[in-house]
Amino acid sequence: EAQVTQNPRYLITVTGKKLTVTCSQNMNHEYMSWYRQDPGLGLRQIYYSMNVEVTDKGDVPEGYKVSRKEKRNFPLILESPSPNQTSLYFCASRPSGRNRQFFGPGTRLTVL
Amino acid sequence: QQQVKQSPQSLIVQKGGIPIINCAYENTAFDYFPWYQQFPGKGPALLIAIRPDVSEKKEGRFTISFNKSAKQFSLHIMDSQPGDSATYFCAAAGMQGAQKLVFGQGTRLTINP
Repeated sequence: EAQVTQNPRYLITVTGKKLTVTCSQNMNHEYMSWYRQDPGLGLRQIYYSMNVEVTDKGDVPEGYKVSRKEKRNFPLILESPSPNQTSLYFCASRPSGRNRQFFGPGTRLTVL
Repeated sequence: QQQVKQSPQSLIVQKGGIPIINCAYENTAFDYFPWYQQFPGKGPALLIAIRPDVSEKKEGRFTISFNKSAKQFSLHIMDSQPGDSATYFCAAAGMQGAQKLVFGQGTRLTINP
């Protein structure tokens, strides 16, 4: 089944403890992206990647890192999480030349 | 700075009614306008999209109306059903494709039986 998977789905952590949220897609898509969803703000793009080793900042990149060493994987790294990063995170992918993005199921992160 | 403004924030409609969700954008470089549907516990899924060279696009019971001069677009759901209850997001992207997809704030739609 073609899909975008994220792990973990739920995570509660404490301020300053480094964490990684994984994202993987099995559709051979070139483009991948991370969003955070907050009430009243919709989805805001954190980082995106056009292909392996090509990444760029979205609208809210502060406090996040990404890497794209393999085409299928695009992990989101929070080096020192803070409470304001408590949010619902979505990974998405799409093929090059097409606009439709496919979203993962989301990761709900709580930083205490 | 919200580049795409969506209203209303929430909407309750009786079954069979026609909910309308509106979005306004500022950046005239936007040329792709999708609507995403999100059910609780799921990621958003593309519902329908339009480009500014047409004023209306219909797919089943869902219609996008687009007003380029007013920089506004809206989603209409005909013969709405309880199963349409979800959160709807409008979005916009520019000439480079959907690299930087900018979303509206979202509308929580409830269709009462």
